Amino acid sequence: EIVLTQSPTTIAASPGEKVTITCRASSSVSYMYWYQQKPGASPKPWIYDTSKLASGVPNRFSGSGSGTSYSLTINTMETEDAATYYCQQWSSTLTFGSGTKLEIK
Amino acid sequence: EVQLQQSGPEVGRPGSSVKISCKASGYTFTDYVMNWVKQSPGQGLEWIGWIDPEYGSTDYAEKFKKKATLTADTSSSTAYIQLSSLTSEDTATYFCARITYYVMDAWGQGASVTVSS
Repeated sequence: EIVLTQSPTTIAASPGEKVTITCRASSSVSYMYWYQQKPGASPKPWIYDTSKLASGVPNRFSGSGSGTSYSLTINTMETEDAATYYCQQWSSTLTFGSGTKLEIK
Repeated sequence: EVQLQQSGPEVGRPGSSVKISCKASGYTFTDYVMNWVKQSPGQGLEWIGWIDPEYGSTDYAEKFKKKATLTADTSSSTAYIQLSSLTSEDTATYFCARITYYVMDAWGQGASVTVSS
């Protein structure tokens, strides 16, 4: 099983700040997927195929990476971006990262 | 509009079983694989398994092979997950999620299961 380790676990950012969340895989994966979840809600697809934004996702978000290291970046933080973000791979048995909680400072 | 409507909250006694449903609408049910995901209180997401409704084929995470059974009824466009031999560790919210090209692009609202005597 491929283990996905996200960092940081929690991060607080001010509006306008740049934010980067990292997801490291225990073995190489072909693509990374990201989901956003807000309290009491279902997760939403956010980034797919490592760098493609899901429908409706603002273009201040971007995704990048390859092999065992991937990241989600918010160019300029907005209050609505406060949520928990999960990475996910399906190169082998599907696994999720443990999540990164993004808060507003 | 694609919708996945899950059944309501369940309470099960330790050792019993519960069955949660996920009714799909707005698309052809048999054209997409359905995943199931567990989220324990205050915790992250855990993949349980998937079912291909057209063929009934399934795959499970190792951890859930003896815990969960996935089925689908194509006549009603409904996917099901049955959880057996309930313990407190099974108290969680369970989501169904449609897969499109490896992306879980539509999610149910979640169904809570509480294990309590």
